Amino acid sequence: EAQVTQNPRYLITVTGKKLTVTCSQNMNHEYMSWYRQDPGLGLRQIYYSMNVEVTDKGDVPEGYKVSRKEKRNFPLILESPSPNQTSLYFCASTFRGTGELFFGEGSRLTVL
Amino acid sequence: SQKIEQNSEALNIQEGKTATLTCNYTNYSPAYLQWYRQDPGRGPVFLLLIRENEKEKRKERLKVTFDTTLKQSLFHITASQPADSATYLCALDLKTGANNLFFGTGTRLTVIP
Repeated sequence: EAQVTQNPRYLITVTGKKLTVTCSQNMNHEYMSWYRQDPGLGLRQIYYSMNVEVTDKGDVPEGYKVSRKEKRNFPLILESPSPNQTSLYFCASTFRGTGELFFGEGSRLTVL
Repeated sequence: SQKIEQNSEALNIQEGKTATLTCNYTNYSPAYLQWYRQDPGRGPVFLLLIRENEKEKRKERLKVTFDTTLKQSLFHITASQPADSATYLCALDLKTGANNLFFGTGTRLTVIP
């Protein structure tokens, strides 16, 4: 089954404790990206990657890091989480040029 | 400033009627416009894509229009069913190569049996 898999789905952590949200897709997509979804603000892009070893900032990259060492994986790293990073995070992927995004099920993060 | 507005946060309609959702944008020049469905606790699911040179697109009970002069897209669900209840998101694709969609905040549709 074609899918984008995120882990963990739910996480409560404390300020400053590094965490990683993993994302994996099995569709051989070139593009992968991370979005956060907040009430009243909609989905906003954090980082994106056009292929292995190629990453770039989206609209709200502060406080986040990413890496793309393999085509299927695109982890999101919060080196020192803060409460304003409490949000619902989505990983998405697509073939180059089609535009249609395939989203994961989301990771709800709470930073205390 | 750039803005994407979806007509209302919530829309209630009777089963069998046509639901019409609106997406208006300012200070964007999208090459494509997409619509997604999002159920509570789930990721958005792609529904339809319409290009700037297309006026209308259909898929089963769904119809999307795109007016680049009015800077507006309308999303219609005909013969609505309770299973159509969800939040619907419009997204602008500027085709800048960054694969960055700009999303509206969504309209929560409830179809009443």
